Amino acid sequence: QKEVEQNSGPLSVPEGAIASLNCTYSDRVSQSFFWYRQYSGKSPELIMSIYSNGDKEDGRFTAQLNKASQYVSLLIRDSQPSDSATYLCAVPRYNQAGTALIFGKGTTLSVSS
Amino acid sequence: GAGVSQSPSNKVTEKGKDVELRCDPISGHTALYWYRQSLGQGLEFLIYFQGNSAPDKSGLPSDRFSAERTGGSVSTLTIQRTQQEDSAVYLCASSLGGGAANEQFFGPGTRLTVL
Repeated sequence: QKEVEQNSGPLSVPEGAIASLNCTYSDRVSQSFFWYRQYSGKSPELIMSIYSNGDKEDGRFTAQLNKASQYVSLLIRDSQPSDSATYLCAVPRYNQAGTALIFGKGTTLSVSS
Repeated sequence: GAGVSQSPSNKVTEKGKDVELRCDPISGHTALYWYRQSLGQGLEFLIYFQGNSAPDKSGLPSDRFSAERTGGSVSTLTIQRTQQEDSAVYLCASSLGGGAANEQFFGPGTRLTVL
């Protein structure tokens, strides 16, 4: 079973719409969750972190966490063409040695004007 | 403030040669991570440093790969006898501490091409 799963997309939405990106994870003890945005040819950029069940809002971005369902999502309101990128969900891998991030394969978002 | 920096940004080498990739983390960040991203593949963890120690080397794909960190700051990833399958973007990230809640910030990466 893959540790972090995301739909690869592409997810296509019109400008101004809400984009919904989903991620599931396998490790029930996970407590921290991160969303990164990666433009083509660039490195990942951290856009949201969430640690508690419920919603966390930052500007046009809302992260939603449901630990019981092992599910985390990212909503982008009023989507803009500049939001077109690959969105990566990441969860720390817990072991005694460290907390490397385990990444999903990413969902490609395309926002059309 | 300055972010994570990496050099070189691009490296083209011939199969069998050794390469060194450098990472300069955000000032004050004690944790440093190396990842790589191959074409069409996800981000893959390589090694984690806390200070100058590497408690987690579990992601290094072979003994051709090694890394060190000095002065609790700059890190160097060395790949010996490079192979074509080593071609990838090598990404360095740093965080304030090594705990799971610490946010990791990535550098721009080094694109390695092995001919």
